[in-house]
Amino acid sequence: NAGVTQTPKFQVLKTGQSMTLQCAQDMNHEYMSWYRQDPGMGLRLIHYSVGAGITDQGEVPNGYNVSRSTTEDFPLRLLSAAPSQTSVYFCASSFLGTANEKLFFGSGTQLSVL
Amino acid sequence: DQQVKQNSPSLSVQEGRISILNCDYTNSMFDYFLWYKKYPAEGPTFLISISSIKDKNEDGRFTVFLNKSAKHLSLHIVPSQPGDSAVYFCAASGVYQTSGSRLTFGEGTQLTVNP
Repeated sequence: NAGVTQTPKFQVLKTGQSMTLQCAQDMNHEYMSWYRQDPGMGLRLIHYSVGAGITDQGEVPNGYNVSRSTTEDFPLRLLSAAPSQTSVYFCASSFLGTANEKLFFGSGTQLSVL
Repeated sequence: DQQVKQNSPSLSVQEGRISILNCDYTNSMFDYFLWYKKYPAEGPTFLISISSIKDKNEDGRFTVFLNKSAKHLSLHIVPSQPGDSAVYFCAASGVYQTSGSRLTFGEGTQLTVNP
């Protein structure tokens, strides 16, 4: 029972480079989301999806792109990395994404942008 | 503006004693509250939740109290164990949010339980 799987665990980028953070879940969850965790700021929602083909912006979407072609996968793309995107990124999913559902999180990707 | 606030970045308690973690919120439309626990190098995991129609919810050693008039909730851990040492996040959401789970998280509190 893998749950939510994120790759890579660590990544170092140079300013201006692009990359994709992968997220996959095997729980048949319709709702998937990306958060970033920064010191003193908690977890902030970047983008989310309520099903294949449907995505929407969260609180801090600028500089990130997402797509949802399958129920299982929800990759997060950094278009042109900036030092301000240095953070820990978490993918999370739930069955429907309703307000009273708990989220299942992946183990995170630590990203450093130099 | 920070709609969910955990004012204590850290808390240290002795094993066997009570740990009390606090959380304040400003949005009166929030009606569901959750606590997540996070160990280093792992993702947060759900711990306990409470609906706004209740003022207390208990699960083993963990109890969450909600004071709606004060817009305040707290997590009590009794007795505290060294394995409880982790970062605890408070989160809130509202059924008024029609699309997606718009959980708003607090900054987190690092709990250290000393043997």
